[in-house]
Amino acid sequence: DVVMTQSPDSLAVSLGERATINCKSSQSVLYSSNNKDYLAWYQQKPGQPPKLLIFWASTRGSGVPDRFSGSGSGTDFTLTISSLQAEDVAVYYCQQYYNSPWTFGRGTRVQVK
Amino acid sequence: QVQLQQWGAGLLKPSETLSLTCALYGGSFSPYYWSWIRQPPGKGLEWIGEISDRGSTNYNPSLMSRVTTSVDTSKNQVSLELTSVTAADTAVYYCARRRNASRGWYFDLWGGGTLVTVSS
Repeated sequence: DVVMTQSPDSLAVSLGERATINCKSSQSVLYSSNNKDYLAWYQQKPGQPPKLLIFWASTRGSGVPDRFSGSGSGTDFTLTISSLQAEDVAVYYCQQYYNSPWTFGRGTRVQVK
Repeated sequence: QVQLQQWGAGLLKPSETLSLTCALYGGSFSPYYWSWIRQPPGKGLEWIGEISDRGSTNYNPSLMSRVTTSVDTSKNQVSLELTSVTAADTAVYYCARRRNASRGWYFDLWGGGTLVTVSS
């Protein structure tokens, strides 16, 4: 299985400040045939299902604000919230869809400082 | 509006069989895989398995021996059965959609989740 390791487990950021979450895969999720990284980010608020934020490592989902951005390739990825808003308080998960079984990171809890 | 609605028994005793159904409303049933993903209380996400609109299945090896999925294309529904449940199977169970592609695809649509509690 591809193991996804997220860091930190939690972070507290002041409103308007930057939040950065890291995700590392145990093997590369870059598919050489199409040069795409099979990596997604999800946001989960309490009592809700996960919501797709980013796919192909850096493509924002429909309606996702542009303060959310994804970067990285191969085995190392980052989700950045450029200016934290109160509504961004949530748990964020990375997920690889390169190889089955599809696997998720353990999540990073983002709170307001 | 495309949405997934789920239902099933929420309280089971150890050794019983978990049974859940997920229905798609407002969208096309193909060409997609329909996954089941679970989340124990306060914990992360675990992919259980999936079935395509044509009935092809793919399961997590960690649960494969106890999992069965089925599809009813006439109703745009998929179902999950998990046998011999224990307290460790207590979780919110989600259904989710991913495109049927030559390799993997991200989950772009999720159901609202069903809490299943296993307790004697």
